[in-house]
Amino acid sequence: QVQLVQSGAEVKKPGASVKVSCKASGYTFTDYAMHWVRQAPGQRLEWMGWINAGNGNTKYSQKFQGRLTIVRDTSASTAYMELSSLRSEDTAVYYCARGFAGVAGLDYWGQGTLVTVSS
Amino acid sequence: QTVVTQEPSLTVSPGGTVTLTCASSTGAVTSGDYPNWFQQKPGQAPRPLIYGTSNKHSWTPARFSGSLLGGKAALTLSGVQPEDEAEYYCLLHYDGTYVFGTGTKVTVL
Repeated sequence: QVQLVQSGAEVKKPGASVKVSCKASGYTFTDYAMHWVRQAPGQRLEWMGWINAGNGNTKYSQKFQGRLTIVRDTSASTAYMELSSLRSEDTAVYYCARGFAGVAGLDYWGQGTLVTVSS
Repeated sequence: QTVVTQEPSLTVSPGGTVTLTCASSTGAVTSGDYPNWFQQKPGQAPRPLIYGTSNKHSWTPARFSGSLLGGKAALTLSGVQPEDEAEYYCLLHYDGTYVFGTGTKVTVL
């Protein structure tokens, strides 16, 4: 069965960086994309970016350009999301989600990782 | 910056029918925007319901259906159950990037 398992909660200071991992199992990692979505407390879902796990190509929301890096390690079937220059507004639950059938949609989701930015 | 707008809240009676819509600030929503719909309950990850306008995932109950309606993407819940009370989000594709809608809180009362 398809599973996406994310790394644990993080607490970071303003200005620092955070790197969240998403380990995939139950399918061929390189046949799909991996998206990253976040949700601040009490707020709506926000799409951040995605990576084609096959060729490593990425696309980011303009909002996060310059601060967001998504990479993957095909040998470990793991995708990583790194967000830099953290500020308090980046406090959120970060999700990875598998993208399928090209751009058709997102199906399986990770459990979410809480990132808290606080001095 | 593209804005995707949904009704803030809707109320429906058990067994009733309700339609949620998803509008794009760039114009009419089309099948080329690959509308997706997700259900989210408090403290849980989003649960995908619909992709590519009207396609259901294997786990999507039959009472959920997706369509295009008057230039918007739409999600219709027929024969609403108490467990359908949740927040619902649409997701639209724009030239390789995506934008979530503002979300609709559905109350079953």
